Amino acid sequence: DTGVSQNPRHKITKRGQNVTFRCDPISEHNRLYWYRQTLGQGPEFLTYFQNEAQLEKSRLLSDRFSAERPKGSFSTLEIQRTEQGDSAMYLCASSLISADTQYFGPGTRLTVL
Amino acid sequence: AQTVTQSQPEMSVQEAETVTLSCTYDTSESDYYLFWYKQPPSRQMILVIRQEAYKQQNATENRFSVNFQKAAKSFSLKISDSQLGDAAMYFCALEGGSEKLVFGKGTKLTVNP
Repeated sequence: DTGVSQNPRHKITKRGQNVTFRCDPISEHNRLYWYRQTLGQGPEFLTYFQNEAQLEKSRLLSDRFSAERPKGSFSTLEIQRTEQGDSAMYLCASSLISADTQYFGPGTRLTVL
Repeated sequence: AQTVTQSQPEMSVQEAETVTLSCTYDTSESDYYLFWYKQPPSRQMILVIRQEAYKQQNATENRFSVNFQKAAKSFSLKISDSQLGDAAMYFCALEGGSEKLVFGKGTKLTVNP
């Protein structure tokens, strides 16, 4: 078991561009979560999946954000028309359905210029 | 709304000494889980310890233990025999029936040799 992985680890983009991040959860985990962490703050929940179903989205997740988990395995988070305020660390976590411990990946650090 | 408050932005401890990090929370749920996560600089978030609210016994994990005061909604973390590798941001988090973690703002722990 290699843990939760995220790619890329770093992304620098210009304002207005689209970006996509990928998360590969721990293989037997059915739940997958996305969080956003800005400097000096704790992570904030964005959305989560149970298998391929997206069950909850935060009000933080504007219409420019979309997440998918097409086959219930890896997930992608896309941000369209990026803004400077989108600069943050995007964290992915996964857990078993029956457990409540979430295991985190290393994150993708996004910088919007 | 569920909230988590960490009132100590920074703490320091001498190597081999003991330090306690504070956390208070608020939830209307009767069944919930509490967590302490550690986030070393530029590294991923790691679970330190978890506590089920229905358990009266305080959780321990090697040098890490918690003081869970349910009535006071307090959940402090004690680190004994502090080591240089304990230096990190420590986040208190709550999961209360909503599947998502609510985090505090974190406490930066410095360990002095």
